[in-house]
Amino acid sequence: EVQLLESGGGLVQPGGSVRLSCEASGFIFSSNAMSWVRQAPGKGLEWVSTIGGSGAAGSTQYADSVKGRFTISRDDSKNTLSLQMNSLRAEDTALYFCAKDRGSGSYPNHFFDFWGQGTLVTVSS
Amino acid sequence: EIVLTQSPGTLSLSPGERATLSCRASQRISSSYLAWYQMKPGQAPRLLIYGTSSRATGIPDRFSGSGSGTDFTLTISRLEPEDFAVYYCQQYANSPRTFGQGTKVEIK
Repeated sequence: EVQLLESGGGLVQPGGSVRLSCEASGFIFSSNAMSWVRQAPGKGLEWVSTIGGSGAAGSTQYADSVKGRFTISRDDSKNTLSLQMNSLRAEDTALYFCAKDRGSGSYPNHFFDFWGQGTLVTVSS
Repeated sequence: EIVLTQSPGTLSLSPGERATLSCRASQRISSSYLAWYQMKPGQAPRLLIYGTSSRATGIPDRFSGSGSGTDFTLTISRLEPEDFAVYYCQQYANSPRTFGQGTKVEIK
């Protein structure tokens, strides 16, 4: 059974930093691209970032809204996905989901076949 | 960026009724790279449909997807109590991958 468990969310001041983690199990983590998707309060879903799987693990993609502030990474030895979030703004307040990519082609031709329950990041003074 | 517009915003129906949800894209989505997800509060989002019409593993056959080009539809043939939720479409043809704003299916 695929499981994705996010952690690391909380209250952070504007301009501050936080690091989110996602522990994965139930599939060959290293083989899969992984993503972060967020949902601001009362809003829809927004793709944030993606990191490639085996052979493309160095490949990263970011939404324009977070480029230069957020960094996605992975540790395949620990089956863990991370998101380092710096220079946080009020508009980054959201529930952050870890998601497993799936697709026969390369990025962006992947959908999300499994998701975690999310971790809440609140940016406020 | 491909903008997806879902309609209606809210659908009020009774159990047993048919639900038809629409997703319209601002430009043609190639190769049917369109997915649908179900979201309930406090739960992980759930993949329902990918490739416009392929049901994900374990998804009941009362859920079906159709469409092409810029117009796509999710149909729930007979609503079960557990189907009342928010549904999102998503395109994965172009970067950035984008979602619609969601359709809430509520109990009438």
